[in-house]
Amino acid sequence: GQNIDQPTEMTATEGAIVQINCTYQTSGFNGLFWYQQHAGEAPTFLSYNVLDGLEEKGRFSSFLSRSKGYSYLLLKELQMKDSASYLCAVVDSNYQLIWGAGTKLIIKP
Amino acid sequence: IAGITQAPTSQILAAGRRMTLRCTQDMRHNAMYWYRQDLGLGLRLIHYSNTAGTTGKGEVPDGYSVSRANTDDFPLTLASAVPSQTSVYFCASSLSGRVETEKQFFGPGTRLTVL
Repeated sequence: GQNIDQPTEMTATEGAIVQINCTYQTSGFNGLFWYQQHAGEAPTFLSYNVLDGLEEKGRFSSFLSRSKGYSYLLLKELQMKDSASYLCAVVDSNYQLIWGAGTKLIIKP
Repeated sequence: IAGITQAPTSQILAAGRRMTLRCTQDMRHNAMYWYRQDLGLGLRLIHYSNTAGTTGKGEVPDGYSVSRANTDDFPLTLASAVPSQTSVYFCASSLSGRVETEKQFFGPGTRLTVL
């Protein structure tokens, strides 16, 4: 079967750095997305990786290792507004988007 | 309007009733999607449409139907609601339907409770 694993919940401190991991076992790989979802709201796009390496976008970076079936989202200089769920999604060999259950990130002052 | 709108915002429905969730986008996107989001699970695709006039089945299509008469609208119908269809439903769109490269834009969601 296809599987996306993310930690259910993480806690971090305002101003710190946090890394949210995503491991996947899918039938093939054609890209990986990260979305942010605030409670009660719609998911919004954060980042996209298809090649190995780091993609940086302001305070957020996303890393991909295709050989390890692994990605992480790195959030720097955490702000209270970063409290949200972070969803990892992988495009498999059939061009289906497989979603993880998401990681709820709690930021404490 | 700008982006994607969904209606209603929330609904409580008796089992066995028919219900249509509405979705409209003004971005002229060709592709549209319906997902359901349940606690502890990832988003699951119900149906999709890559262009007006065509639709396809996703991972969990049973009990749901869709139509795509024009580019802007993509309604989702529950013919006879059952309690297992209690969920939050999100409509999404993307420019051309190239799932492997395109980000998707999501509507605000409809919270549906079937009793």
